[in-house]
Amino acid sequence: SQTIHQWPATLVQPVGSPLSLECTVEGTSNPNLYWYRQAAGRGLQLLFYSVGIGQISSEVPQNLSASRPQDRQFILSSKKLLLSDSGFYLCAWSVMAEQYFGPGTRLTVT
Amino acid sequence: AQKVTQAQTEISVVEKEDVTLDCVYETRDTTYYLFWYKQPPSGELVFLIRRNSFDEQNEISGRYSWNFQKSTSSFNFTITASQVVDSAVYFCALSEETGGGADGLTFGKGTHLIIQP
Repeated sequence: SQTIHQWPATLVQPVGSPLSLECTVEGTSNPNLYWYRQAAGRGLQLLFYSVGIGQISSEVPQNLSASRPQDRQFILSSKKLLLSDSGFYLCAWSVMAEQYFGPGTRLTVT
Repeated sequence: AQKVTQAQTEISVVEKEDVTLDCVYETRDTTYYLFWYKQPPSGELVFLIRRNSFDEQNEISGRYSWNFQKSTSSFNFTITASQVVDSAVYFCALSEETGGGADGLTFGKGTHLIIQP
């Protein structure tokens, strides 16, 4: 069966510091991968998606970036965090239309 | 542009009552997918159902049922005989078909369902 992992589970970072969140999927090949953000009191917003290694599409302009160095690995990064980057970051995978989500990373920027 | 509206921000019912969560969507595509997800306090999104735009048949899974009506662009979710464990935030979502199946989901803002014992 397929599983999706995210780490870290929680993170507290100061403004201006870098960020690296990792997501890995097991039990499937060539999945579509996604990063979403859920800000406090708001819905989920699609940030990036990837249909293959090195292929990244950005949905929202911001100071975040994503990379897919391996088939089942998806990384969300930032060179300098802003206060507004605080939120709950969810990684998801899909092979057909259904998307399955990881446990999430709760990021607090102070 | 696609849009999902969940007008009910919060619903509170007493255990064993039936409750319906509303979802209205907007899309220009003729082929699309609709979803419901449950988000318990732990935060992880749990997939509940996917419905294709060309399949208007209603679905029942245990205490859960879904009513898809293209004429009113609605995809409502009903929990029968609610239980405390049903307490969570429920999200309705939409995905448009682009051929590659890669579209991300457009989510509604969610409905916080509180089941009181």
